[in-house]
Amino acid sequence: DAKTTQPNSMESNEEEPVHLPCNHSTISGTDYIHWYRQLPSQGPEYVIHGLTSNVNNRMASLAIAEDRKSSTLILHRATLRDAAVYYCILSLPNSGYALNFGKGTSLLVTP
Amino acid sequence: NAGVMQNPRHLVRRRGQEARLRCSPMKGHSHVYWYRQLPEEGLKFMVYLQKENIIDESGMPKERFSAEFPKEGPSILRIQQVVRGDSAAYFCASSQTGTSGYEQYFGPGTRLTVT
Repeated sequence: DAKTTQPNSMESNEEEPVHLPCNHSTISGTDYIHWYRQLPSQGPEYVIHGLTSNVNNRMASLAIAEDRKSSTLILHRATLRDAAVYYCILSLPNSGYALNFGKGTSLLVTP
Repeated sequence: NAGVMQNPRHLVRRRGQEARLRCSPMKGHSHVYWYRQLPEEGLKFMVYLQKENIIDESGMPKERFSAEFPKEGPSILRIQQVVRGDSAAYFCASSQTGTSGYEQYFGPGTRLTVT
């Protein structure tokens, strides 16, 4: 299975942009890149997903490298409510619905 | 709009008892997934169900665990003869379709403690 690598933790100041990196060098051509986040004691929350092209939604932007071996989740203006663990996930081959979360990046936002 | 609902939120069972976890998907969603999060680990896929059908149970432990999604009512994850290692947070998610590329909506989870 293709794996992802993320930094254990990152820190950002409130109202500044945050770039959360993810490496997935063994990604296959049909794997979607999903981003979820999880606040303490809550279920994960969908953030964004993409396949090849960059994607934007109301929460964030997803920048995907041309070779698809890495991607970056961009929060344009971090707020205190964005403090969470962010997970970069690749769908499993032949079972794109199955998400296996790694350890993710714990984002700390300071005022 | 009600989100994914799970109950109970907290469940304590003694070793050897049965645990039943319930999940009601979002309105209009017919695809349900169960995940388990062990302490200090990420969520792991367990099973994918549609109404009256198990589509993929490749992540389910071979023994003691079962899941169903009946025609009427919530999806149920059943753990028989619980052991301490079953202590975890169990999350249910639902989606409009089962194909990759569609977001899953997660419930708040059921935290199972086995004493």
